[in-house]
Amino acid sequence: SAVISQKPSRDICQRGTSLTIQCQVDSQVTMMFWYRQQPGQSLTLIATANQGSEATYESGFVIDKFPISRPNLTFSTLTVSNMSPEDSSIYLCSVVGSSQEWYNEQFFGPGTRLTVL
Amino acid sequence: SQKIEQNSEALNIQEGKTATLTCNYTNYSPAYLQWYRQDPGRGPVFLLLIRENEKEKRKERLKVTFDTTLKQSLFHITASQPADSATYLCALDAPMGSSSASKIIFGSGTRLSIRP
Repeated sequence: SAVISQKPSRDICQRGTSLTIQCQVDSQVTMMFWYRQQPGQSLTLIATANQGSEATYESGFVIDKFPISRPNLTFSTLTVSNMSPEDSSIYLCSVVGSSQEWYNEQFFGPGTRLTVL
Repeated sequence: SQKIEQNSEALNIQEGKTATLTCNYTNYSPAYLQWYRQDPGRGPVFLLLIRENEKEKRKERLKVTFDTTLKQSLFHITASQPADSATYLCALDAPMGSSSASKIIFGSGTRLSIRP
C-alpha cells in the first residue's frame, strides 16, 4: 500500500491570498490526483498530475486558479490561488496502486482542510 | 460524461441487520467499480473492487455485486455493527481523453448509521 502525507493539515486564510498544499508519497508513482471535497459533498477531481508533464484539469478547474507542480515521482503541490470563501473545502491528494496486489486501488492522503474568510 | 448516483443520502438500520447500499451509473460501462469508506475528517479508505466480468465479490462481512446490464452495484454489510457507521462511496473508472489511462470518479456517498 501507499502512505501519503499532506501539509498543512488545515489552514485558515484571508480572501485574495494563495495557499500551497504539499503531498508526499512513500513510493514512486506515475500519476497523482488532486480532489476537492466540499462540506457534505463527495469528492470532485480537480486534476491529474504526471511527473514531467503539465497537469490535466477537469472541467471547471483551470491552471491559473489551481497550479500544480510535480517535480518527481513522490511529490506534488497544489496551489489554491486568489482564494475566496467558495474555496473553503478539504483538498485531498491521491495515488493509484500499481503493484499486482494493489492495482487500481486508490490511496488517499489525510486531506487539507482549508477555510477562507 | 459519466454520472454516478447513490440512491440514499442516509441510511439508518438496527445493529445486526444487513445494510444494503445502491450505486447506479449511466453512459459507458466501466472496467471496474470500487467501494470506499470515509469517516468524518479523514480521506476515503478502499474496501472492495469488482471487475466488469465479476458478478459478486466478498470480503469478510462485505459483499459487492455488479450488474452491468442494470448498470448497478449493490454493497452489503452483514451483521452490521455500530462501528460500521460511516459514509460509503461508490467509485468507478472513467477514461482520460485520448490517453489509455483512467481516472476515478466518485458518487455522492451514502451516510450509514447503525444504531445499537
